[in-house]
Amino acid sequence: SQKIEQNSEALNIQEGKTATLTCNYTNYSPAYLQWYRQDPGRGPVFLLLIRENEKEKRKERLKVTFDTTLKQSLFHITASQPADSATYLCALRLGSQGNLIFGKGTKLSVKP
Amino acid sequence: DAGVIQSPRHEVTEMGQEVTLRCKPISGHDYLFWYRQTMMRGLELLIYFNNNVPIDDSGMPEDRFSAKMPNASFSTLKIQPSEPRDSAVYFCASTPGQGVRGYTFGSGTRLTVV
Repeated sequence: SQKIEQNSEALNIQEGKTATLTCNYTNYSPAYLQWYRQDPGRGPVFLLLIRENEKEKRKERLKVTFDTTLKQSLFHITASQPADSATYLCALRLGSQGNLIFGKGTKLSVKP
Repeated sequence: DAGVIQSPRHEVTEMGQEVTLRCKPISGHDYLFWYRQTMMRGLELLIYFNNNVPIDDSGMPEDRFSAKMPNASFSTLKIQPSEPRDSAVYFCASTPGQGVRGYTFGSGTRLTVV
């Protein structure tokens, strides 16, 4: 069966450290993968997109990698801050289909 | 740009009642999606439209759920009759083209069926 898994429900790190979140998938061949941030009581907010033929994408303190052989994406936040505390969701776009399939998310807490 | 607008923000209703959720997408976005989010199941796609036409409604859980998009600026999701297991946060999202600029989500409607 098709599955998207984010490595843990919760991740706690110290301010200034690098947070690394994992998204694994099985039985999909995604055209691209996206990462979203969701704060309590709000809708998800788009952060980054990486295509199947791209290895890495960066945006300010964010970095995403995509390994289609391992069927895995890593999401890094460098020099993390308490304001980065939120739930982060990965999502797959499958080929020509118009919809995204979401993982359940990882709740990141950055302690001062 | 006011973003994707959903109403109401909160809805509490009794089992068996009809519930209608509303969404106004961003102008110019030709794709509109309805998602449901629960702790157990995460974000689940219910249905999506392209240019006001329903493309995939395979995520709609039962015949009690229906969705319409009468024009490019308005969509509704209706549950009739509602049941306690329908309690969740319902999100509407829109995107232009193939979604490479990401989806823009509304703030959601928190539905509680008692």
